[in-house]
Amino acid sequence: DIQMTQSPSSLSASVGDRVTITCRASQSISSYLNWYQQKPGKAPKVLIYAASSLQSGVPSRFSGSGSGTDFTLTISSLQPEDFATYYCQQSYSTPPYTFGQGTKLEIK
Amino acid sequence: QVQLVQSGAEVKKPGASVKVSCKASGYTFTSYGISWVRQAPGQGLEWMGWISAYNGNTNYAQKLQGRVTMTTDTSTSTAYMELRSLRSDDTAVYYCARDVVVPAGAWFDPWGQGTLVTVSS
Repeated sequence: DIQMTQSPSSLSASVGDRVTITCRASQSISSYLNWYQQKPGKAPKVLIYAASSLQSGVPSRFSGSGSGTDFTLTISSLQPEDFATYYCQQSYSTPPYTFGQGTKLEIK
Repeated sequence: QVQLVQSGAEVKKPGASVKVSCKASGYTFTSYGISWVRQAPGQGLEWMGWISAYNGNTNYAQKLQGRVTMTTDTSTSTAYMELRSLRSDDTAVYYCARDVVVPAGAWFDPWGQGTLVTVSS
């Protein structure tokens, strides 16, 4: 199975900061990489699919980049509602569509 | 709007089985697959498996093979996930999610609201 490793596991930042979260795959997954946001007690929500495509309705301060094994999620200017846990997920080839372990973004 | 609504919370004893339902609305049910994902308390997301709502084909996570069965009822646009021989480490919130598949990739959208399954003696 393809393993997904996110860094950091947790991150403290302030409103208005630019934040970057990294996801690394154990083998090349081309651009088959998604990013999800999960708030406490809620289901995850897709933000970015196919590495860099913004899901409809998601604010443009979110962006994704990368291909092969290394990917990033960037939030250009943190807003109060962005404090949540973020997961990457690979959808390369057949399942299992493994997730990263998550990055918890907290208010500094 | 596209929506997945799951059944309510369950409390089960070790060794028992649980069956969680996921009712879809707002789209053609048989045009998409359904994946199931679980999340133990304070932990990350674990993909459990997938079922095609078109033909019932399934693909299960290796660690759950033999204990999990996913089915669909196309007459009611409902997907089901049954987990048998429950253990305490099966305590988790169980989510269903619609599989969106295009040539550029596949992702889950939307997700159900989640069903808490508690396994306790």
